Amino acid sequence: ETGVTQTPRHLVMGMTNKKSLKCEQHLGHNAMYWYKQSAKKPLELMFVYNFKEQTENNSVPSRFSPECPNSSHLFLHLHTLQPEDSALYLCASSQDTGSSGNTIYFGEGSWLTVV
Amino acid sequence: GENVEQHPSTLSVQEGDSAVIKCTYSDSASNYFPWYKQELGKGPQLIIDIRSNVGEKKDQRIAVTLNKTAKHFSLHITETQPEDSAVYFCAASPMDSNYQLIWGAGTKLIIKP
Repeated sequence: ETGVTQTPRHLVMGMTNKKSLKCEQHLGHNAMYWYKQSAKKPLELMFVYNFKEQTENNSVPSRFSPECPNSSHLFLHLHTLQPEDSALYLCASSQDTGSSGNTIYFGEGSWLTVV
Repeated sequence: GENVEQHPSTLSVQEGDSAVIKCTYSDSASNYFPWYKQELGKGPQLIIDIRSNVGEKKDQRIAVTLNKTAKHFSLHITETQPEDSAVYFCAASPMDSNYQLIWGAGTKLIIKP
């Protein structure tokens, strides 16, 4: 148990569907992240929120839409995805984004399959 | 751009033997180097890290060494056990970012009984 909980753990969706991934952290952290993990590739940082404000969007297509209503919750809204978007989506948190070397705590991930 | 190269992509060792995973980084100003372990069905978890003002750090059976001149760092696991089987990721923190890590592609470590 890392203190970061993701739901659902598995999701299969069609290319025209709309779905959302949810993340909740119980660590009292102020920064939250979405990463994409594909086989045999480095982790790809997608979005960063610090104190509920989005501070980073790494050229992610608009079919991925993040939402951070408070420092403990993070959502990733999915709409009209492509099969190549199938991957493991990891949520993570850290104390904040202001200190070098903050430990990042990951959730167990949501496996997304786009059909 | 900045990148981190990690080798090997797969490593198979006999239980009880040592395992070494190596990473090289491109940004000479990088100052923080964590190692994460990802077990099957779980997210990555920090196992050890090192900062640029230190050359080596140990924690029981695991150790990390850093060579700033050569821009590479390594993870050493001694007396390997079955529970060490996992995917290991190295990362480097570029100087101009307090939080964004540049990740290696991962090493799948297999411990043979």
